[in-house]
Amino acid sequence: AQSVTQLDSHVSVSEGTPVLLRCNYSSSYSPSLFWYVQHPNKGLQLLLKYTSAATLVKGINGFEAEFKKSETSFHLTKPSAHMSDAAEYFCVVSGLSSNTGKLIFGQGTTLQVKP
Amino acid sequence: GAGVSQSPRYKVTKRGQDVALRCDPISGHVSLYWYRQALGQGPEFLTYFNYEAQQDKSGLPNDRFSAERPEGSISTLTIQRTEQRDSAMYRCASSLAEVYNSPLHFGNGTRLTVT
Repeated sequence: AQSVTQLDSHVSVSEGTPVLLRCNYSSSYSPSLFWYVQHPNKGLQLLLKYTSAATLVKGINGFEAEFKKSETSFHLTKPSAHMSDAAEYFCVVSGLSSNTGKLIFGQGTTLQVKP
Repeated sequence: GAGVSQSPRYKVTKRGQDVALRCDPISGHVSLYWYRQALGQGPEFLTYFNYEAQQDKSGLPNDRFSAERPEGSISTLTIQRTEQRDSAMYRCASSLAEVYNSPLHFGNGTRLTVT
């Protein structure tokens, strides 16, 4: 069975400092992994995805994530936080190897950015 | 429209009533997914369609929940005899095809409150 665990329910950083949101996954096959962001009263937006190509994945808005099979991790990072990054972030694994639409979401990490 | 449209945005209903939630996917998108998101949790898969065919309904919690997509476009998620535990954000997503690596586009959701 596939699952993801987001290790922090809440992360607070100061504007301009690095962001690290941690995620560990469990999968019985080579997984597809994603990070989604949810701003208040908005839909879920795809930040980036890993699908067995390069292990370092670059996404939108300066975010990137590194797939580490040995650690079963897929942490999300950004060198410098911006106020507009404040949102809820979800680490996601595909539930099926053939259908990347049936997704399994982590419980989410709320990112707070302080001025 | 340009994105996935869900209606209504907010629905308040009394326990025992039936509700119908509507999803209008991006034009031309073959696959349509329904997810449910409880407060403080990540979205959970409910069901999905390819064209008008319901491919997987394993996530529907019980037989009070049903979904249809009769013409392969607009979908309706129906909850009969609503209960307070049904209160959640219901999210619809569509993708161009049910294939590996086809991204999901989420709507803004319908927030259902059962009183």
